[in-house]
Amino acid sequence: DVKVTQSSRYLVKRTGEKVFLECVQDMDHENMFWYRQDPGLGLRLIYFSYDVKMKEKGDIPEGYSVSREKKERFSLILESASTNQTSMYLCASMSQTYEQYFGPGTRLTVT
Amino acid sequence: GESVGLHLPTLSVQEGDNSIINCAYSNSASDYFIWYKQESGKGPQFIIDIRSNMDKRQGQRVTVLLNKTVKHLSLQIAATQPGDSAVYFCAENWGHNTDKLIFGTGTRLQVFP
Repeated sequence: DVKVTQSSRYLVKRTGEKVFLECVQDMDHENMFWYRQDPGLGLRLIYFSYDVKMKEKGDIPEGYSVSREKKERFSLILESASTNQTSMYLCASMSQTYEQYFGPGTRLTVT
Repeated sequence: GESVGLHLPTLSVQEGDNSIINCAYSNSASDYFIWYKQESGKGPQFIIDIRSNMDKRQGQRVTVLLNKTVKHLSLQIAATQPGDSAVYFCAENWGHNTDKLIFGTGTRLQVFP
């Protein structure tokens, strides 16, 4: 079974802090994704990556950056956290047949 | 615009009944559709998928129907159980040969005894 893990389930940070969210998948998938999920808005794509060192902006990239130094790891970075970035963050890895496998999510609260 | 929507935000069904969750998609070029289930506190879990060259696909207790004429997708759950209570999302790949999925906002399924 595909396993996607995220570094933290719950995280509380202060406004202005730099935040790193880590995601690791064990299926050698090339495509990985970061989403945020908010009530009434569903999943919105922040960034995705086709391969190591490659990244593409999603629908809401502002305030975020990403890093893909190794194929199995895709990191989401909040350079200066703000309260409107309080959300559930979901990482996904995609197979060649388009199936996306999600991690358990990180619930981030910015105070 | 780019959107995948759901007709009903909340669906309540009695245990043992069949459930039908609907979804309207917007891109006629999309050729792959997925249903996800998300339980409270967990990430979305793949349930079933269907490609545009099919109009029906069955899994274990679940069936997905695709009507390309009206750009409509539905998920049918037979003999709904309490463990089926969750939020269900549909998603489409945005156009042919893209890896980007567009998700709907979700429908909450509540199963009562």
